[in-house]
Amino acid sequence: AQSVAQPEDQVNVAEGNPLTVKCTYSVSGNPYLFWYVQYPNRGLQFLLKYITGDNLVKGSYGFEAEFNKSQTSFHLKKPSALVSDSALYFCAVRVAGRRALTFGSGTRLQVQP
Amino acid sequence: ETGVTQTPRHLVMGMTNKKSLKCEQHLGHNAMYWYKQSAKKPLELMFVYSLEERVENNSVPSRFSPECPNSSHLFLHLHTLQPEDSALYLCASSQGGIADTQYFGPGTRLTVL
Repeated sequence: AQSVAQPEDQVNVAEGNPLTVKCTYSVSGNPYLFWYVQYPNRGLQFLLKYITGDNLVKGSYGFEAEFNKSQTSFHLKKPSALVSDSALYFCAVRVAGRRALTFGSGTRLQVQP
Repeated sequence: ETGVTQTPRHLVMGMTNKKSLKCEQHLGHNAMYWYKQSAKKPLELMFVYSLEERVENNSVPSRFSPECPNSSHLFLHLHTLQPEDSALYLCASSQGGIADTQYFGPGTRLTVL
């Protein structure tokens, strides 16, 4: 079985400050990890993914994520938050041989001006 | 987001109605997915089609009936739904590789009265 946990329902950060959205996972085998963002009344937009190789993955809009195998984590980060980053963020995992993505419950990011 | 389109964007139906949701992908992908997004619940995978063949069906009630006539189109036929089926229904597509990325449409907001 595969599962994803996003321990924070909401993260609040001031504009210009660094942000971190946490994600931990549980899988049998090597994970493929994804981050998506959802703006109000919109579908999910792909931000970045980890397949193999460098543990630091860079994605869209200045976001990056660090894969940590020993801690089974894949936290999303950005050095300087923008108000426009305010949205719902989802972490997801899948393993080889399975098409299904398993999503976390989502974390709402609120960036205050 | 224009790579995957969904119609209608909003749908209100009674419990005895029959309606269909449509998804079209313009990305040349060969796998398509239906997800259900309910309030305060993680995204749930409903169906997966690969090369127009259903490859996953996650214990979805028979009142939901998918159809994939070709690799670009996916339908979700609805009949005798329940109020608890009210949700955002998201379509996604992917290339079909081992660690491929799923790209999502904007969703159909369904309300069952």
